[in-house]
Amino acid sequence: SAVISQKPSRDICQRGTSLTIQCQVDSQVTMMFWYRQQPGQSLTLIATANQGSEATYESGFVIDKFPISRPNLTFSTLTVSNMSPEDSSIYLCSVATGANTEAFFGQGTRLTVV
Amino acid sequence: DQQVKQNSPSLSVQEGRISILNCDYTNSMFDYFLWYKKYPAEGPTFLISISSIKDKNEDGRFTVFLNKSAKHLSLHIVPSQPGDSAVYFCAASGYGGYQKVTFGTGTKLQVIP
Repeated sequence: SAVISQKPSRDICQRGTSLTIQCQVDSQVTMMFWYRQQPGQSLTLIATANQGSEATYESGFVIDKFPISRPNLTFSTLTVSNMSPEDSSIYLCSVATGANTEAFFGQGTRLTVV
Repeated sequence: DQQVKQNSPSLSVQEGRISILNCDYTNSMFDYFLWYKKYPAEGPTFLISISSIKDKNEDGRFTVFLNKSAKHLSLHIVPSQPGDSAVYFCAASGYGGYQKVTFGTGTKLQVIP
């Protein structure tokens, strides 16, 4: 298993600003994932972050809006840039500790954009 | 295009009875299925999984059934306990290596004492 710490747990931000969310894992993992859960919706994968390479973004998500860093095997950040109220969601960090295994999640960051 | 569907947004069950949560999928490439439980203000917690080579997997009070021909799976909780009250997400992925996981919209289970 993996223990994931995500910061901040919640924030209220002004539109047009940016927020960086941090994800720290207690062990080295190859794959880290960032998800978004909009109100009443399922979890939607934003991007996959591998250490030492560019993140891979899913359809509908772009690097300019959601830049991701993955400086080492235990840490990643997701930035939500130029925020609008539509970005109000829960953002979740997830890791896979091996192939064909379940993913583990952080507690999420509840973002409200006003 | 919702590839994993949970058509019941909510379910209420009496304590001690069976809870059955259903999930349908459309992508025939899915080979690995998972259930997650989520409490408010927490991230999803892995509950149980099943690969497509099986039709049943059991772990304590939790059993997942898979019907590949119908593209349907279900989670049975017996007996249900008040602590089981949470949102349950069905999820699916391909098998082999690190695969993208697709989630359903969730079913909110309330177990009434």
